[in-house]
Amino acid sequence: DGGITQSPKYLFRKEGQNVTLSCEQNLNHDAMYWYRQDPGQGLRLIYYSQIVNDFQKGDIAEGYSVSREKKESFPLTVTSAQKNPTAFYLCASTPSGTGAYNEQFFGPGTRLTVL
Amino acid sequence: AQSVSQHNHHVILSEAASLELGCNYSYGGTVNLFWYVQYPGQHLQLLLKYFSGDPLVKGIKGFEAEFIKSKFSFNLRKPSVQWSDTAEYFCAVNARTGGFKTIFGAGTRLFVKA
Repeated sequence: DGGITQSPKYLFRKEGQNVTLSCEQNLNHDAMYWYRQDPGQGLRLIYYSQIVNDFQKGDIAEGYSVSREKKESFPLTVTSAQKNPTAFYLCASTPSGTGAYNEQFFGPGTRLTVL
Repeated sequence: AQSVSQHNHHVILSEAASLELGCNYSYGGTVNLFWYVQYPGQHLQLLLKYFSGDPLVKGIKGFEAEFIKSKFSFNLRKPSVQWSDTAEYFCAVNARTGGFKTIFGAGTRLFVKA
């Protein structure tokens, strides 16, 4: 089955450590996204990538970094500079073409807790 | 800047009651509109979408939404809810010239009592 996988489902880290969240898709989609979901705030865009080796900052990129070396993979690193990293992180993708017309396909999410 | 406002953060209904969830957006240009749903323990998934044409859009599981351009609204409705509709619902807007960025509302948690 085609879809998006995120691992791990739950992640615990000590304060001050960097952590990388995995996102893999086998939908052959060009665009990929990272969102952060906090209660009462909906989904906020962290980074997005339209094609391999290219990515743009979203609305809350500070303290995060990404890479897009392969079409199917878009890992997110939560650095120690992120002041409030405990959250639910969602990865999504959309098919090629004009992004505005495409529904987003979401992964199951990773819940990160920083102790 | 674009924004999306969902008026109700928590809604509790009994089965068979009618549902209307409000969504307003702030953007003066042409938009594409979406409702997504997140059932407990499941992925966020598309419920319905509006791009153009008939402003009354029908989606999965008996949901529909009406785009009222003059009110910048895209409210979600269902005539008779079921216990299985318990979920969190997100309204989302994408400016047609904005390409890949979609703005999501804060979400509405719906709980349907059996």
